[in-house]
Amino acid sequence: EDKVVQSPLSLVVHEGDTVTLNCSYEVTNFRSLLWYKQEKKAPTFLFMLTSSGIEKKSGRLSSILDKKELSSILNITATQTGDSAIYLCAVAGAQKLVFGQGTRLTINP
Amino acid sequence: NAGVTQTPKFQVLKTGQSMTLQCAQDMNHEYMSWYRQDPGMGLRLIHYSVGAGITDQGEVPNGYNVSRSTTEDFPLRLLSAAPSQTSVYFCASSYTVLNTEAFFGQGTRLTVV
Repeated sequence: EDKVVQSPLSLVVHEGDTVTLNCSYEVTNFRSLLWYKQEKKAPTFLFMLTSSGIEKKSGRLSSILDKKELSSILNITATQTGDSAIYLCAVAGAQKLVFGQGTRLTINP
Repeated sequence: NAGVTQTPKFQVLKTGQSMTLQCAQDMNHEYMSWYRQDPGMGLRLIHYSVGAGITDQGEVPNGYNVSRSTTEDFPLRLLSAAPSQTSVYFCASSYTVLNTEAFFGQGTRLTVV
């Protein structure tokens, strides 16, 4: 059975801290790994990773995939209160997009 | 730019009632799916479709039916609502499931009493 596991499930830090969110997976016929940010409503797309070892960056956010370890990390540097959200990792397999449980990130001022 | 349109936004049902959640996309996406989101459980796949006329079950299909008669529409039917189906439901679409991002509707908050 396909599985995506995120850790930690919850994280509280102070504004300005750097955080690392983890995602590991066991998915048949891996195609890609995606990261989403969810605030109050629908998830919004952050990154899609298909190749191992190539970092994707967008401002203070970055992510990298390790296909050997079947995992990915999402880094957020110099966190701001607006980064508070649930971060979801999803893996596209043969015909399904499977999500992890999400990491609830809270940034305190 | 409609994207993925999901209706209704909110719904309260009594146990045993049936209803249909509507999902439509205008991006000519082949792949559509339905998820439910419960606290602490991320998004769980209910049903998905790789194209018109083709549907398949996800992780938690029991109590739900789908059909895909057109590329644009992918309705989710609750046959006989139960309190365990209280959840937030999201419809998503993507060009294919391979190497493309999924776009989400705004969600339906369903309460079954």
